[in-house]
Amino acid sequence: NAGVTQTPKFQVLKTGQSMTLQCAQDMNHNSMYWYRQDPGMGLRLIYYSASEGTTDKGEVPNGYNVSRLNKREFSLRLESAAPSQTSVYFCASSEWAEQFFGPGTRLTVL
Amino acid sequence: DQQVKQNSPSLSVQEGRISILNCDYTNSMFDYFLWYKKYPAEGPTFLISISSIKDKNEDGRFTVFLNKSAKHLSLHIVPSQPGDSAVYFCAASSGAGSYQLTFGKGTKLSVIP
Repeated sequence: NAGVTQTPKFQVLKTGQSMTLQCAQDMNHNSMYWYRQDPGMGLRLIYYSASEGTTDKGEVPNGYNVSRLNKREFSLRLESAAPSQTSVYFCASSEWAEQFFGPGTRLTVL
Repeated sequence: DQQVKQNSPSLSVQEGRISILNCDYTNSMFDYFLWYKKYPAEGPTFLISISSIKDKNEDGRFTVFLNKSAKHLSLHIVPSQPGDSAVYFCAASSGAGSYQLTFGKGTKLSVIP
């Protein structure tokens, strides 16, 4: 089992460009999450999906959209990237409280 | 307002000694607590957890203690090993529906050989 996979691993964007971060899990978990990690800030929840067909805002949703494509896949979209969105993005999945994380996507917005 | 606080950004410990990482929380609705370990350029990995109905949980070298009245938990690592050097995140859940986790800012542990 691959667990949680994320693509791409690295990305550099210019201000105003758009992109989609992909996440997939093979553990048959119902819930999936997107976090960002910034230096000294810990992990902050952007959006989550409690089950297939539902999505909800987390702590820092502004500037992002998500799609729960099916039970396995949960994507995060930046419509118009800003330098403040430079961060490391982690996807996670869970069946209950213990969440399993992907390896992360390091995004730089110039 | 931070609901989960890890007040020590860093901690250095000699190999073989005990490492104690602390975490405080403010939300009385939290009923499940987890510790995650994170190496550079990797995702966090689950380490150990504790339910609010317990005050201690052990797994090998790792023990988590929960003091509900003080809203405080701690992670003990005995004996500490160089491979334990990582950032440790405390997280809390209210267990309501989606199992959202609220994370602390992390403590960077350095175990010195």
